[in-house]
Amino acid sequence: AQSVTQPDIHITVSEGASLELRCNYSYGATPYLFWYVQSPGQGLQLLLKYFSGDTLVQGIKGFEAEFKRSQSSFNLRKPSVHWSDAAEYFCAVVNGNKLVFGAGTILRVKS
Amino acid sequence: DTAVSQTPKYLVTQMGNDKSIKCEQNLGHDTMYWYKQDSKKFLKIMFSYNNKELIINETVPNRFSPKSPDKAHLNLHINSLELGDSAVYFCASSQTMTGSSGANVLTFGAGSRLTVL
Repeated sequence: AQSVTQPDIHITVSEGASLELRCNYSYGATPYLFWYVQSPGQGLQLLLKYFSGDTLVQGIKGFEAEFKRSQSSFNLRKPSVHWSDAAEYFCAVVNGNKLVFGAGTILRVKS
Repeated sequence: DTAVSQTPKYLVTQMGNDKSIKCEQNLGHDTMYWYKQDSKKFLKIMFSYNNKELIINETVPNRFSPKSPDKAHLNLHINSLELGDSAVYFCASSQTMTGSSGANVLTFGAGSRLTVL
């Protein structure tokens, strides 16, 4: 069964600094991977997805993620963080007919 | 127009009561879902329907009963509410079933925060 692990519960970065949020998936066939963002009191918004093809995927709000099969990872990156990026970020993988989420990483941005 | 709308946004009620949360999507999607987000923000699927047919029924107490009158609506009724039912419930929809032909992107509603006292 496919699952994802987000090793970091909280991350704090300074505004303008680069960001990398980690996501590791369990072994299986080619995974379908997603990153969602949840702002306080809001629903989840899709940032980007990987189904196949180019392993570097671009998303909204300047985010990108790289699929690395050798490391079973799908880390989310942003070169320069803005205060409005403070939110919780969820990695997710398709497992059969379900979308299974990681535990989330809370991003704090300090000015 | 909101793509996936849930009502109510907030619900505070006493233990033992029965309550419902409604969800509607105007995206023309075939598949709808209910997810539960607990106090630790962990998201877990509860149910999914495809064209009004129940597809996923996770290990959820039978006090929870979803109903899909048509493919644009998926309601969640909860009987005999317990303290542990306090959570945020998210409705979502996708064009077709996840995994049926590649994967489909889920569009989420804003959530319904249920507090049981």
